[in-house]
Amino acid sequence: GAGVSQSPSNKVTEKGKDVELRCDPISGHTALYWYRQSLGQGLEFLIYFQGNSAPDKSGLPSDRFSAERTGGSVSTLTIQRTQQEDSAVYLCASSLVGTARYEQYFGPGTRLTVT
Amino acid sequence: GENVEQHPSTLSVQEGDSAVIKCTYSDSASNYFPWYKQELGKRPQLIIDIRSNVGEKKDQRIAVTLNKTAKHFSLHITETQPEDSAVYFCAAVVLYGGSQGNLIFGKGTKLSVKP
Repeated sequence: GAGVSQSPSNKVTEKGKDVELRCDPISGHTALYWYRQSLGQGLEFLIYFQGNSAPDKSGLPSDRFSAERTGGSVSTLTIQRTQQEDSAVYLCASSLVGTARYEQYFGPGTRLTVT
Repeated sequence: GENVEQHPSTLSVQEGDSAVIKCTYSDSASNYFPWYKQELGKRPQLIIDIRSNVGEKKDQRIAVTLNKTAKHFSLHITETQPEDSAVYFCAAVVLYGGSQGNLIFGKGTKLSVKP
């Protein structure tokens, strides 16, 4: 079946503008995760959804960052008033809850460049 | 919350040699420890994982060991090949119900295997 997809694949925006990043998880996966990966850096956790609720928002770096998930499927990550330090690859992952195997399947990422 | 430290940040080995990457975690309640491999320009993919009720797990040339008392776990790759060159991330999580929880990743190890 289809894997996790993200759009856009690349986004260049001017400092101060808002951006929306989209994630389509694997069908049936109830858990969804957002990460940020800066150049040469690790995977920085941002937020985790179980269904439509977010049990853990602890990774959101500031109140400029928000995320929502509707219908237990698609999620959008919104960054308001973007700053240059927001430039990074934003990765989304999903996992199937209730199985013996716990694996996060990652999307291809959205490369965000703030100029 | 959980904190995962990973060492070394870079590792260079000759083809055929072994490679070892080590991680420590802070939350003694963590019970699941996966390793992800990220090739250049690609998304991270799960290569092996271990749960806290076992001390070692092997899959062909890769193995993971876990020391719960010391709160550290390691990835071992034997007979390394050039295609093993990638960034490897360890992670830890407290899994609820076997499959719910948020992974906290280490900062990654860039492994280079020289032919």
